[in-house]
Amino acid sequence: DQQVKQNSPSLSVQEGRISILNCDYTNSMFDYFLWYKKYPAEGPTFLISISSIKDKNEDGRFTVFLNKSAKHLSLHIVPSQPGDSAVYFCAASGYSGNTPLVFGKGTRLSVIA
Amino acid sequence: DTGVSQDPRHKITKRGQNVTFRCDPISEHNRLYWYRQTLGQGPEFLTYFQNEAQLEKSRLLSDRFSAERPKGSFSTLEIQRTEQGDSAMYLCASSPEESTDTQYFGPGTRLTVL
Repeated sequence: DQQVKQNSPSLSVQEGRISILNCDYTNSMFDYFLWYKKYPAEGPTFLISISSIKDKNEDGRFTVFLNKSAKHLSLHIVPSQPGDSAVYFCAASGYSGNTPLVFGKGTRLSVIA
Repeated sequence: DTGVSQDPRHKITKRGQNVTFRCDPISEHNRLYWYRQTLGQGPEFLTYFQNEAQLEKSRLLSDRFSAERPKGSFSTLEIQRTEQGDSAMYLCASSPEESTDTQYFGPGTRLTVL
């Protein structure tokens, strides 16, 4: 039973355009959400997070939006750059973070120059 | 470099052999996590420690798996009698106990069981 779902296995975007990666979750106990980026043969690298008390968090080119009623979050990357090409994982945890994370299967983003 | 380190980075073994992996967390991080990632999947939680205490184990962690963090610093993950299904990337992460933030991941150990 997948509690965190990333329904798009891959996404291709032109350089300079917006990349939108989506994530849905089923467990209403989740209250902290994170996005990680992963290159081949490396561990996941933290990108941005959001607590359930917020609906938006921004860090440079990265913005995460949370819609609690729809149990949906999205990561926006603007403008997209070729170096953003990687696999992006959505993760969730309960109890305000710092507990085992539950990951989605990931979305492979390709930014085309 | 004060990030999470893991050793070895790659391990190839024959079925039935025992293997042990090591993780060194970021200094002063009280919590240490082990995850496993297989092809096409996201990381899946195995177990975690707060200092030397093992607080939770996933049902993925069969009896052949054991993890320790004897002095609350580095941790080891041992797999006994390896099976081909154990082939995966084993990831370690650490975080400060007080933080509601991020778990910081190491580069992982890629295990191949022949």
